[in-house]
Amino acid sequence: NAGVTQTPKFQVLKTGQSMTLQCAQDMNHNSMYWYRQDPGMGLRLIYYSASEGTTDKGEVPNGYNVSRLNKREFSLRLESAAPSQTSVYFCASSVGTFHFGNGTRLTVT
Amino acid sequence: DAKTTQPNSMESNEEEPVHLPCNHSTISGTDYIHWYRQLPSQGPEYVIHGLTSNVNNRMASLAIAEDRKSSTLILHRATLRDAAVYYCILRDSDSWGKLQFGAGTQVVVTP
Repeated sequence: NAGVTQTPKFQVLKTGQSMTLQCAQDMNHNSMYWYRQDPGMGLRLIYYSASEGTTDKGEVPNGYNVSRLNKREFSLRLESAAPSQTSVYFCASSVGTFHFGNGTRLTVT
Repeated sequence: DAKTTQPNSMESNEEEPVHLPCNHSTISGTDYIHWYRQLPSQGPEYVIHGLTSNVNNRMASLAIAEDRKSSTLILHRATLRDAAVYYCILRDSDSWGKLQFGAGTQVVVTP
């Protein structure tokens, strides 16, 4: 089992560019989440999806959009990247315990 | 959401036990106590969780105070691979809900 897979692993963007972070899980979990982690800090929730077809805002949703494409996939989109969005992004899925991907390291210059 | 308080860092010698404290004085009756850890350059991974009784698994033990206002994660024999940030998190359900992360405790293991 691959668990939670995130792509890409690394990305550099210029201010104003857009991109989509992809996340897929193969554990048949209903719930999926996007977190960001800034240096030296804990993870903060951006958006989550309790089930296919539903999404809700977390603690820091501004500047992001999400799509729950199907039960397996949950993508995070930055429409116009800003330097403040430089961070490591983690996707997770859950039924009970959480399973995290290994992150996408995003730098916005 | 009820908050947790953890020390910023703890140091241990290899093969010795590590006791990681967590205070959660405003815990509610339905909050589960979860522990996750994050190894360098990886996503967090589940360690253990409990409600009222002490819990053991292959990774660690969780000791919960009788009044539930504090808990302790116990790593029985620290290895270098246990060097990580450990997060104590309260979650209002065993099967549903978000995880709200604090800053955690950085565990340093010395050979």
